[in-house]
Amino acid sequence: EAGVTQFPSHSVIEKGQTVTLRCDPISGHDNLYWYRRVMGKEIKFLLHFVKESKQDESGMPNNRFLAERTGGTYSTLKVQPAELEDSGVYFCASSPLTDTQYFGPGTRLTVL
Amino acid sequence: KQEVTQIPAALSVPEGENLVLNCSFTDSAIYNLQWFRQDPGKGLTSLLLIQSSQREQTSGRLNASLDKSSGRSTLYIAASQPGDSATYLCAVRGSYIPTFGRGTSLIVHP
Repeated sequence: EAGVTQFPSHSVIEKGQTVTLRCDPISGHDNLYWYRRVMGKEIKFLLHFVKESKQDESGMPNNRFLAERTGGTYSTLKVQPAELEDSGVYFCASSPLTDTQYFGPGTRLTVL
Repeated sequence: KQEVTQIPAALSVPEGENLVLNCSFTDSAIYNLQWFRQDPGKGLTSLLLIQSSQREQTSGRLNASLDKSSGRSTLYIAASQPGDSATYLCAVRGSYIPTFGRGTSLIVHP
């Protein structure tokens, strides 16, 4: 069974540009989560989808971040415009219920 | 607000040693606690999940204990091997959203 996949693995962009991260959850998992780890800090929750609906987006830092999950399958996280402090590793996780979450390898975002 | 602390932040040991990694949390009203392993460039791999009603979980050379009343968990690694080198993360769940510690970076040298 394929695990959670994320694309790209690395992204380097300049301040002010737009970047879109993608997450493909494990097939059949209704729950999808986004997390972020900024250098030197702990992993922090960003938001949670149940199918295509946003269940909780309390962790989204500001309105420059937009997450979507059209059709309840893959999800995208867009940062527009990117700022220096957005640099970090963005993790996606999925779960069939709200218990054990399976994490993807993460996307390392560097904003110059 | 839940806060999770992991001690030590980094650890370097010779192969064969038995290790204890510590995780403490401030709010004892938890649903479960999970230990993860992260290898460079890889995602998080779940090692052990302890429900709030449990005291410990074991998997191979790994044993995790949970003392909810004191807000502590330990991950015990027996007979460490170079392949155990990774970052170990503790995550506490009071709801469906886990609160992570910053991790312990472990290096086991031959």
